[in-house]
Amino acid sequence: NAGVTQTPKFQVLKTGQSMTLQCAQDMNHEYMSWYRQDPGMGLRLIHYSVGAGITDQGEVPNGYNVSRSTTEDFPLRLLSAAPSQTSVYFCASSLDTVGKLPLHFGNGTRLTVT
Amino acid sequence: GIQVEQSPPDLILQEGANSTLRCNFSDSVNNLQWFHQNPWGQLINLFYIPSGTKQNGRLSATTVATERYSLLYISSSQTTDSGVYFCAVTNSGGGADGLTFGKGTHLIIQP
Repeated sequence: NAGVTQTPKFQVLKTGQSMTLQCAQDMNHEYMSWYRQDPGMGLRLIHYSVGAGITDQGEVPNGYNVSRSTTEDFPLRLLSAAPSQTSVYFCASSLDTVGKLPLHFGNGTRLTVT
Repeated sequence: GIQVEQSPPDLILQEGANSTLRCNFSDSVNNLQWFHQNPWGQLINLFYIPSGTKQNGRLSATTVATERYSLLYISSSQTTDSGVYFCAVTNSGGGADGLTFGKGTHLIIQP
């Protein structure tokens, strides 16, 4: 049981490049979400999903796309990276469909956009 | 949206000391969780505690939902307790959503 797995651990992009941050969980959790963590800001919700085929926006969705084709995977796409997207990104999942049971986090992806 | 304030922002203690971390929130909640982010950046769920009191070893937490605050107690601190402690909540009025995080308490335990 690996829990929540994020890849890659580190990534450097140039402005305008695109990439996908991968997130997978093997706990059969319905709820999955993406957060970004910036210095002094805590964590802020980007997008979330309550099940396969269902996604919704969080607090800071601009510049990011998501999809949920399977229960296990919830990738986060940056279509045209900007320096403001330099951050640490965390994927998290929860057993229930509204994210109100304990949230389990992956180990994060540190992204730098130059 | 709901506001979450944590205090103190920074805390430096000697090994063996006890500490109390506070989380105030601005609206009613049906979900409150405490997390520890260790110096390597990993986020570990400590407690799911929308109300009442829970204990896990040297750590315990109490949430008084009617007064809109939660406390995290750490007893007999160890250097491995160092890191940032986050409180996160979900507003009772909301539907499916994510947690709103406070900015954290940065705890340093010195040997």
